[in-house]
Amino acid sequence: EPEVTQTPSHQVTQMGQEVILRCVPISNHLYFYWYRQILGQKVEFLVSFYNNEISEKSEIFDDQFSVERPDGSNFTLKIRSTKLEDSAMYFCASSDPPSGGELFFGEGSRLTVL
Amino acid sequence: GDSVTQMEGPVTLSEEAFLTINCTYTATGYPSLFWYVQYPGEGLQLLLKATKADDKGSNKGFEATYRKETTSFHLEKGSVQVSDSAVYFCALKTGTASKLTFGTGTRLQVTL
Repeated sequence: EPEVTQTPSHQVTQMGQEVILRCVPISNHLYFYWYRQILGQKVEFLVSFYNNEISEKSEIFDDQFSVERPDGSNFTLKIRSTKLEDSAMYFCASSDPPSGGELFFGEGSRLTVL
Repeated sequence: GDSVTQMEGPVTLSEEAFLTINCTYTATGYPSLFWYVQYPGEGLQLLLKATKADDKGSNKGFEATYRKETTSFHLEKGSVQVSDSAVYFCALKTGTASKLTFGTGTRLQVTL
């Protein structure tokens, strides 16, 4: 069964460092998403991406964050200068089509900022 | 804005017990409702969904009915198994928007 894969599964970084989280969506999906979950809190929407551009983003997704689809398979989330409060589990998801389609999630990347 | 409220966890049950995890929502328009499950070490998986009032979603013995009058989508299972131990997330999305709004998740622990 096709699945969304994420790397790394866990990353520890120092505050102020840049982090790139990588995702390989399901191959025929066209819509991609990032969510995050701070420990003990809700799963929060960050951004959705379609046709090589951001289609929607939340207030959380400020200038520190960016997304990119650098090739035909990867979808990345970059955090330019990490803060302590960026520590969370980051989930990538993909779907096709979005309006009625199921979102398929990866296993998550745990980011710890020290 | 849209929001989802789930009962606090963890929920600990003995095998074969009846399960209810409460979920209520606030939304503009007519949302579609979902339950996602996260097993240990795995990603979020869609468990079931309902797209309009009075619809019942079901899968793997789990059921939830879309109740517009009470704005609820409670998850139930008649007889839980140890393998059902996981975190369960209630979620909604409205209109044609693809964004899901999640609850905080409820951890279920089933013991022998």
